[in-house]
This record gives sequence, structure tokens and C-alpha cells, in this order.
Amino acid sequence: QKEVEQNSGPLSVPEGAIASLNCTYSDRGSQSFFWYRQYSGKSPELIMFIYSNGDKEDGRFTAQLNKASQYVSLLIRDSQPSDSATYLCAVNRGTSYGKLTFGQGTILTVHP
Amino acid sequence: NAGVTQTPKFQVLKTGQSMTLQCAQDMNHNSMYWYRQDPGMGLRLIYYSASEGTTDKGEVPNGYNVSRLNKREFSLRLESAAPSQTSVYFCASWGIPSYEQYFGPGTRLTVT
Repeated sequence: QKEVEQNSGPLSVPEGAIASLNCTYSDRGSQSFFWYRQYSGKSPELIMFIYSNGDKEDGRFTAQLNKASQYVSLLIRDSQPSDSATYLCAVNRGTSYGKLTFGQGTILTVHP
Repeated sequence: NAGVTQTPKFQVLKTGQSMTLQCAQDMNHNSMYWYRQDPGMGLRLIYYSASEGTTDKGEVPNGYNVSRLNKREFSLRLESAAPSQTSVYFCASWGIPSYEQYFGPGTRLTVT
């Protein structure tokens, strides 16, 4: 079992819809969870992070964390073609130096 | 403030040749990381340096060596390149009070 797993997709949604991206992790000691977006040919950039159970909202993005189920998700409301990218889930297992374990990424395509 | 810089951006090597990838950050971060990214594999950690003077192996260290030259610079060396090392290489840094890893622009390496 991989430490961090994502459905590689591709996930295709129409413009204006809600895109739902999912991630599961195996280490119950994991403490903080990150969503990065990566456009083709570019480096990853942080969208948001979450460390408490529940929801965290930032504009059109909502991260959801359920530590009991070892599950973290990212919802993108009112999806735009500019949201088309690869979304990487990453987990910090509590190290003091920011070490992350990444999932394989989910390719999202938003079509007009 | 350039963030994380990497050189070169592109490189083509023949099997058996050696090269060093350079990375520097100007954010006074303690921790630095080297990843490789292959299609469908997400980001895999090669080596990291939790603080100046320390280095540790990540998930895929075979065939690589690293040097933490000072707090700013962290280099990755391929002693005898193999076609399996064809990949995109990203350097990243992390430091308090930030929660995120900042990534460089990447080096696209092809080994023929």
C-alpha cells in the first residue's frame, strides 16, 4: 500500500461544476495535509493546507479532513478551464523540518 | 527575492556521464529537498537536508549523491548517468514560519 494514494484520473468536469479530488493516507501519525497544483511544465504551488478535522475554505477551494478515515479531499467550486492541472496531495508525518510524502497526483480537466 | 533557483533548466547526458544539479534559496530556510518527477509517479524524494550540515536518503536515493554546501545551497550529483534517471528534477526548501515547501522551476534531464 502506498503511503499517500490518489486517483490519477483524468477527472473531467464541465465549467461551473464542482470538482472533487480525493486522497487517502496510511500513516495515522500524519499531522498536516497539503494540496498543491501543478500546471503542465511548471513546478508545484501550494493551494492550501489543513491539519484539523473538518473543512477549511479558501475562496473557491475547500479542503476536508477526516483523520479517523485517513482521508483528505479538495473541492473546487465553480470550476474554470484555468483550474485544469495536476493536483498533488502531500502529507507531513509530523517532522519538524517539513518533510512531505506526495501522492501520484490527479489530472483535472475542466471543459468549457 | 528569487525564492528557489535551479540550474540548468535542461540537460542531455550520455549514459555514464556525470553532472551536478545546482539549487539555491534566498529565504533563509533550514530544510532543502531534491525530488524527481516521472509521468504518473508524483514527486518522489531523492535526498533531503533537514538542516545545514545534515543530509538523509529519501525514497529513491540510488545513483545520486548530495552536498549541502551551506545554508543556501544544496546540490545533487549523478556520478554515472543511466537512462532510468531521465526525469524532471525539482529542488524545494522549507523553513519556519512558513508551512509550505517552495519549489524551484525544475531541471529536465534526458539520459541517452
